[in-house]
Amino acid sequence: DQQVKQNSPSLSVQEGRISILNCDYTNSMFDYFLWYKKYPAEGPTFLISISSIKDKNEDGRFTVFLNKSAKHLSLHIVPSQPGDSAVYFCAASSNTGNQFYFGTGTSLTVIP
Amino acid sequence: EAQVTQNPRYLITVTGKKLTVTCSQNMNHEYMSWYRQDPGLGLRQIYYSMNVEVTDKGDVPEGYKVSRKEKRNFPLILESPSPNQTSLYFCASSLAGGGRWNSPLHFGNGTRLTVT
Repeated sequence: DQQVKQNSPSLSVQEGRISILNCDYTNSMFDYFLWYKKYPAEGPTFLISISSIKDKNEDGRFTVFLNKSAKHLSLHIVPSQPGDSAVYFCAASSNTGNQFYFGTGTSLTVIP
Repeated sequence: EAQVTQNPRYLITVTGKKLTVTCSQNMNHEYMSWYRQDPGLGLRQIYYSMNVEVTDKGDVPEGYKVSRKEKRNFPLILESPSPNQTSLYFCASSLAGGGRWNSPLHFGNGTRLTVT
C-alpha cells in the first residue's frame, strides 16, 4: 500500500511562473519529509526537507509547505526555470522507523 | 568529492545467472539502502542497513540479498535473476537513517538491469 502519493504524474509551467507540486501521505507517524529532483540518467538529488514541527521551510526559489492535519505537503518553485524540468519525488520517514518512503514522482516541464 | 558509486551502470543478463551490483560511499555514512524504480511505482526500498552487519528487509526484498561487511560497501546480490527484476536500481546512503532530521539520503547514479 502506497504510504506516500503524488497524484499528478506530470505538470507543465511557463518559465517565470510558479510551479506547485503536491504530495499526500497516509501514515501519521511520519515526521520528516523530503523532496528530491531527478534528471534522466542520474540518481535523485536532495532538494529540500521539512520537519513535522514546522509548517514551512524555504531555500532560495524552493519552499516546502506541510499541512499535518491534511497529511499534505507541497513544493513551490518560484520563479520556475527551464533547468527545473525534471522528475520530483517526495519522501517521508519516521524517527520510530528506519525506512524512507517515496511517492511515484511528478514530471515537471518548464516551458521557455 | 562526497559520493555514492554504483557499478555497473548498465547490465544485461539471462535468467538464473547470478549477479552482483556494487555500491560504495565515501561519506562515512551509517545507513545504506537499495531501491528499485519502476514506471508508475516510484522508488521502492529493497533492503537497508543501519550499520556494519546489520541489514533488514524493505518493501520488496524477494529475490535479493545484501551484505554489509564494511561500512562503505553495500552490494546487492541477485542469486537467480528473473525478468521481473528488470528495473533501474539505486543505492543510497545517509548519515543516520530514516526519520533523523538533517539526514537526507544521497543516491548513486543508478544501475539499469535487464534480465532476459
